[in-house]
Amino acid sequence: EDQVTQSPEALRLQEGESSSLNCSYTVSGLRGLFWYRQDPGKGPEFLFTLYSAGEEKEKERLKATLTKKESFLHITAPKPEDSATYLCAVRKNTGNQFYFGTGTSLTVIP
Amino acid sequence: NAGVTQTPKFQVLKTGQSMTLQCAQDMNHEYMSWYRQDPGMGLRLIHYSVGAGITDQGEVPNGYNVSRSTTEDFPLRLLSAAPSQTSVYFCASSPQGHYGYTFGSGTRLTVV
Repeated sequence: EDQVTQSPEALRLQEGESSSLNCSYTVSGLRGLFWYRQDPGKGPEFLFTLYSAGEEKEKERLKATLTKKESFLHITAPKPEDSATYLCAVRKNTGNQFYFGTGTSLTVIP
Repeated sequence: NAGVTQTPKFQVLKTGQSMTLQCAQDMNHEYMSWYRQDPGMGLRLIHYSVGAGITDQGEVPNGYNVSRSTTEDFPLRLLSAAPSQTSVYFCASSPQGHYGYTFGSGTRLTVV
């Protein structure tokens, strides 16, 4: 069964305390893995796409990496404005469907 | 550039009523989708379209209809609202299916 699992469900960090969010997936034939940020009451905002194992993408304090079975979103020295829910999604080589995880709710405390 | 525009932002319906959620994008994106987001369930695909005149079902299509007569517009119709359709609905578009989506700001629907 195609599945995307994110962990932890919730994460509280002190400002400046680096950490990682995990997205593990079980799909046959990955076309791409996507990371989004979602603020309360808003639609998800696209962050990164990763296409193959070993690929890395960076944006400010965020760095996404991909292996054959999981992706990590590393947050370096987070700030309170990084507080949000982070979603990952995968797309298979066949079909047009994206499979979303349930997200990790990140809170960064000043 | 407006991106993806959804209307209305909030709606309360009585059981059995019908309504249309509007979605419009001004980026000339071919690919458009409707998702619902429920606590603990993640985003689930309702219907999608790969171009004008072409639509297909997603994971949870029952109780919903779509059409795509133009590239810009992709309305979602609730045929006979049920309390189980209480959710937040998001419309999204992308240039092609394997690029990242641009999401609208959502419609919060309550069915009583």
